[in-house]
Amino acid sequence: KAGVTQTPRYLIKTRGQQVTLSCSPISGHRSVSWYQQTPGQGLQFLFEYFSETQRNKGNFPGRFSGRQFSNSRSEMNVSTLELGDSALYLCASSLSPSGRINNEQFFGPGTRLTVL
Amino acid sequence: AQSVTQPDIHITVSEGASLELRCNYSYGATPYLFWYVQSPGQGLQLLLKYFSGDTLVQGIKGFEAEFKRSQSSFNLRKPSVHWSDAAEYFCAVGLSTSGTYKYIFGTGTRLKVLA
Repeated sequence: KAGVTQTPRYLIKTRGQQVTLSCSPISGHRSVSWYQQTPGQGLQFLFEYFSETQRNKGNFPGRFSGRQFSNSRSEMNVSTLELGDSALYLCASSLSPSGRINNEQFFGPGTRLTVL
Repeated sequence: AQSVTQPDIHITVSEGASLELRCNYSYGATPYLFWYVQSPGQGLQLLLKYFSGDTLVQGIKGFEAEFKRSQSSFNLRKPSVHWSDAAEYFCAVGLSTSGTYKYIFGTGTRLKVLA
C-alpha cells in the first residue's frame, strides 16, 4: 500500500506570493492533518480534515487555509507569503478522525517551502 | 496551557549503549501519548503509543516507553542503540480541549550515535 505522498517536495517562492501544497493520503484514509515544522517552533498543528470537513484548526492566521476533496486528497494554501512561512509542511493521514482511540497518523515526507 | 517538554535537545550515545529520552507533559488529565522518529528528509514515523492499560508500552525497532502518571512523563528507552537509530525523536500528546482534539508535539531530541 502506498504511503502518504506530498507534492511538490521543494518549493521556492517570494514574499507576497501564494502557494498551494498537495497531499494524497493512504488509500482508505479519510482524515488528513497538516503541520508546520520549523527549527524555532517545532511541529505545530495547522488543521485537520475528515470527509471534506474541517474538524480542527490550530492557531494560525487566516492566510493559511485548506480543503479536502471527495477522494480524501487535501490541499493547503498559504496566501501573501511571509519570510516566516519558510518551513517543512507535513501532512498526515489516518483512518479515523483525531481523538478516536487507536487513531494513528501516518506522515508524508513533507514539502520544504522557502520564502525569499 | 498544555505543553510537551523534551528537556534534551541533543543526546550522544555510543553504539550498543542504552538510551533514555525524556518527555514530560502538562495537562489536567491523561492524554494519549506518542513517540515519533524523524530521519533527515523524511516524515515522522510512529514508534509507539499509549492510550490506556499497561504503562509499559512496546514499540517498533526495539523501543519501549513507560508512562508515569505521578511524574506526567512518558520516557522512551532502548537497551542497545544501533547506528541506524541516529535521528530526531518527538514526543507528542493527543488531548481534548475546548471541544476539539489536537496533537501537541515536543521540540524534539536529536540523537547522535557514535561508532
